[in-house]
Amino acid sequence: DTAVSQTPKYLVTQMGNDKSIKCEQNLGHDTMYWYKQDSKKFLKIMFSYNNKELIINETVPNRFSPKSPDKAHLNLHINSLELGDSAVYFCASSSGSGGTQYFGPGTRLLVL
Amino acid sequence: KNEVEQSPQNLTAQEGEFITINCSYSVGISALHWLQQHPGGGIVSLFMLSSGKKKHGRLIATINIQEKHSSLHITASHPRDSAVYICAVKFMLGANAGKSTFGDGTTLTVKP
Repeated sequence: DTAVSQTPKYLVTQMGNDKSIKCEQNLGHDTMYWYKQDSKKFLKIMFSYNNKELIINETVPNRFSPKSPDKAHLNLHINSLELGDSAVYFCASSSGSGGTQYFGPGTRLLVL
Repeated sequence: KNEVEQSPQNLTAQEGEFITINCSYSVGISALHWLQQHPGGGIVSLFMLSSGKKKHGRLIATINIQEKHSSLHITASHPRDSAVYICAVKFMLGANAGKSTFGDGTTLTVKP
């Protein structure tokens, strides 16, 4: 049983398009995160939600909009994709903001 | 300057060797995570520490709060331990308070 799942696993798209990445966790956690891992493998937090409410919003372009329809889901919508958005995006969840984080498998986004 | 420093950046070892990876951080933290990223890209949470020492199989993690330092040890290393090991901390104070801040990772290669 997958604990944290992301779809799609791979996403190749043209510049200017709008795309969404979905994340679901079946661990009963109340906190979910989106991270971006760039080509140099550096991980950076983008957003964090606790009980469907935004608690961390790093300095990311407002083309990125997270949406949490319920505690088990945190989706990431990206408008007007740019070449620099190419990266691996990881979703994670935890029980409370201080709990161990469980990561999804990542979504590899390539913008052409 | 990243407030989380890992060393070494790259580490090559022979199978069976004892391995130590270090993580130092600049100010007080509420929690420290050790993560493992496999060559395929998946991320696994190994430990979450706020004090003392934890052991899981051949892996041991220690943290010294006063010295602001944590170590990850691998005993009897094996080629399947080859991965990138990432230290992540949650700062209590400062501009990054409450956010997970990641080290740049240590790339471990264990040769048979």
